[in-house]
Amino acid sequence: SAVISQKPSRDICQRGTSLTIQCQVDSQVTMMFWYRQQPGQSLTLIATANQGSEATYESGFVIDKFPISRPNLTFSTLTVSNLSPEDSSIYLCSVGTGNGYTFGSGTRLTVV
Amino acid sequence: AQSVTQPDIHITVSEGASLELRCNYSYGATPYLFWYVQSPGQGLQLLLKYFSGDTLVQGIKGFEAEFKRSQSSFNLRKPSVHWSDAAEYFCAVVNFNNAGNMLTFGGGTRLMVKP
Repeated sequence: SAVISQKPSRDICQRGTSLTIQCQVDSQVTMMFWYRQQPGQSLTLIATANQGSEATYESGFVIDKFPISRPNLTFSTLTVSNLSPEDSSIYLCSVGTGNGYTFGSGTRLTVV
Repeated sequence: AQSVTQPDIHITVSEGASLELRCNYSYGATPYLFWYVQSPGQGLQLLLKYFSGDTLVQGIKGFEAEFKRSQSSFNLRKPSVHWSDAAEYFCAVVNFNNAGNMLTFGGGTRLMVKP
């Protein structure tokens, strides 16, 4: 199955700034998924990223706040913009393979 | 859209006791179901999955799950729990739509193991 390298693993950011999270996959994949896991909560899908097209966002998530880049079939970035303490969460990327779904190790974001 | 429900938010069992974590799904056709485990500060690890075929699925770490269409359930079981099993467990189902085949997660069950 695919292996995902996600960076950074954690960061502490000031309010009003942005954080960009990167995911690199060791094989070409059509779709990549970005999830948010708020403290003590389950995973919620933010968006689906297809190479060569705009990401599809779930209800409650907007492109201005969570812009996504998908320049090729092995790489994607998620930016969390204009940070507020409510954005403190774990962010994970995921890809689907023939055998299931693989997740990155997550980025733990703390906004101060 | 497909969804899963995990009725138990917290479960505490004694080490060596058996375990069953409940998962109910909502889907008209045969769902694609998964169980993941997340240890504190760790990423998600796949325990097992069900796509079709034998309804009793064996996974890693001694876990198994049984798909029961009549009950819309996919409960996770382990005959003897170890202290290292203390973690958060998530049931998930594949949602098929035009945007992509993404996973939808249940709310999770936090397992605590008493010595």
